[in-house]
Order: sequence, then structure tokens, then C-alpha cells
Amino acid sequence: DVKVTQSSRYLVKRTGEKVFLECVQDMDHENMFWYRQDPGLGLRLIYFSYDVKMKEKGDIPEGYSVSREKKERFSLILESASTNQTSMYLCASSATDRGRRGYTFGSGTRLTVV
Amino acid sequence: AQTVTQSQPEMSVQEAETVTLSCTYDTSESDYYLFWYKQPPSRQMILVIRQEAYKQQNATENRFSVNFQKAAKSFSLKISDSQLGDAAMYFCAYRRRGGGLNTGTASKLTFGTGTRLQVTL
Repeated sequence: DVKVTQSSRYLVKRTGEKVFLECVQDMDHENMFWYRQDPGLGLRLIYFSYDVKMKEKGDIPEGYSVSREKKERFSLILESASTNQTSMYLCASSATDRGRRGYTFGSGTRLTVV
Repeated sequence: AQTVTQSQPEMSVQEAETVTLSCTYDTSESDYYLFWYKQPPSRQMILVIRQEAYKQQNATENRFSVNFQKAAKSFSLKISDSQLGDAAMYFCAYRRRGGGLNTGTASKLTFGTGTRLQVTL
């Protein structure tokens, strides 16, 4: 069964800490994405990557960075966590198929910054 | 920029009844895809149904069907014979149809704010 795996389901971090959220997919997908989900705001795109070592900013990149050293792994980095980054983070991947298919999502990481 | 609007934060339906969730979108593109995703309490996002803008026929997947009105930029989801397992957050999403090998930008999904569906006995 193909899947996208996020390393942590729940995470609690302190303000100012550097936080790594890891995502791994086993479908050989070219594209990977990080979204954050907040009540009333839906899913908002933070960063995405369409190839190894390639990345593009999404709609809300401030305070975040990403790393994609291998095709299957896409990491989201909070350089200095703040309380307003408390949220649900969803990773997704997709094939390069001219857009006809949707994404495969991970189960999300609920991050609390205290 | 594309935007997706879901104007119903919450909806409720009785088991076995039919419910329609609304979605409108704004785009200057003529060729794109629209999706409905379901997110149950497990948080796993599940693709419910997909519509290709160049197809006039409305997509159907078992009890789920869409009413796609391209001119009105409307894409509603109808759930027939509602079941308790249909209770979830439902998100409408838009994706531009890409071209060429590098479809990075075209692969972006833009989501609405979601509709929480409750199913009652």
C-alpha cells in the first residue's frame, strides 16, 4: 500500500527551538508539499518541491524553510519556533502528470509550540 | 491567483438523506481540475471525487456526485444516502492543468476553508 509517512503525529516544542518535521513517500513521486491546516482557514501551502534540491515558496513561507536532499524525503524546518506556528502540518506528494491526479497525504503532525 | 470558497462552515444531514456541499472558485485559466477531499477524525485526507474542466459530464463515484457549472465557477458535491461514516471535514480544491515536464507550479492545489459535515441518526 503506497503511502506518505510523517514522522510524528503529535509534537510539543518550546518557543525558539529549531523544529524538524519529516515526511517520506514511497511512490517515487516528483512533487512534494507542506501545508498547514488551521480552523476556518483550510489548508495553506507553505513550500513545495518538484525535484530533488528544488523548492518553491508557497503562500505562507515566512518562518519556515525546507530541505529535499533525496527524492523520497521532504523536511519542513521551523528555524525558531513561535506560538503562532502551533498548527496541524500536512505533507503530500504527487506525480508529475499534468495535474490530473490529486495528492496522497500523510496523516498530519499536530505541533504545539509553548 | 486562484481562490476557492466554501461558504458553509458546517452542515448536518440525517442518515440516508441527501446533502449538497457548495464550492465556488475563481480562476482565469480555462483548463484545470477540481477535487473534493474528505478528512475524517483520523486526519487522513481522502480523495472523494475529481472533475476535469474540459469534460462537460459531471463526475460520479458511487454515492458521491458533483454539479460542475464552469461558467458560474461552481463545483458542488452531492452525497446521496448519507452514512455515519460520511461525517468528516470536506475540502474543495483546485489545480491548474500543467504542461511539459516541469509541472511544479501547476501541481499546486488550492483549497477552500472546508465544510464540517455531521451525520445524525
